[in-house]
Amino acid sequence: KNEVEQSPQNLTAQEGEFITINCSYSVGISALHWLQQHPGGGIVSLFMLSSGKKKHGRLIATINIQEKHSSLHITASHPRDSAVYICAAPSYNTDKLIFGTGTRLQVFP
Amino acid sequence: ETGVTQSPTHLIKTRGQQVTLRCSSQSGHNTVSWYQQALGQGPQFIFQYYREEENGRGNFPPRFSGLQFPNYSSELNVNALELDDSALYLCASSPGQRLRTFFGQGTRLTVV
Repeated sequence: KNEVEQSPQNLTAQEGEFITINCSYSVGISALHWLQQHPGGGIVSLFMLSSGKKKHGRLIATINIQEKHSSLHITASHPRDSAVYICAAPSYNTDKLIFGTGTRLQVFP
Repeated sequence: ETGVTQSPTHLIKTRGQQVTLRCSSQSGHNTVSWYQQALGQGPQFIFQYYREEENGRGNFPPRFSGLQFPNYSSELNVNALELDDSALYLCASSPGQRLRTFFGQGTRLTVV
């Protein structure tokens, strides 16, 4: 069992749909990262959160430390949101990131 | 724009050769980590440097080595390349532990 697990692995949506990607982790963490990776490889950090909720534009990230679970929501999805979304958790005593396997999102017009 | 720049963006090497990948971080980013991402998989931690000293290492053989320089640049060196070393190599830096991490765009290495 991976220390960081995501679901679903693949997700397709129609433009405008509300999207949720889930992340569960078993390691003790100081914060959790949500990352976006487009074809070609570059990774962009979307959020780093250690409690509660953060919002940036149409993206919302929530975390429940007690339940070791985080979600990334995309409201009014758009084809340009198509990418791989990865959650990553640093081990508590280090900054070594443990990555989930990613969720491949495709949003169709 | 993350402020983390990797070079080159793409590279093709022959099995047995040696390669050096470079990363330039933002000023003040004392912590730099390198990750290997094989096709279709999540990134795997190679090692981390903090103020020019290795500060943690993943499950990679000694032929993977690194350096961090005072000007916030760093290198990943891989000796005796193997076909399985073909992957995207990502550099990530932060100003310190438990602070936001910034990623480079990666170097795609192909070993033939």
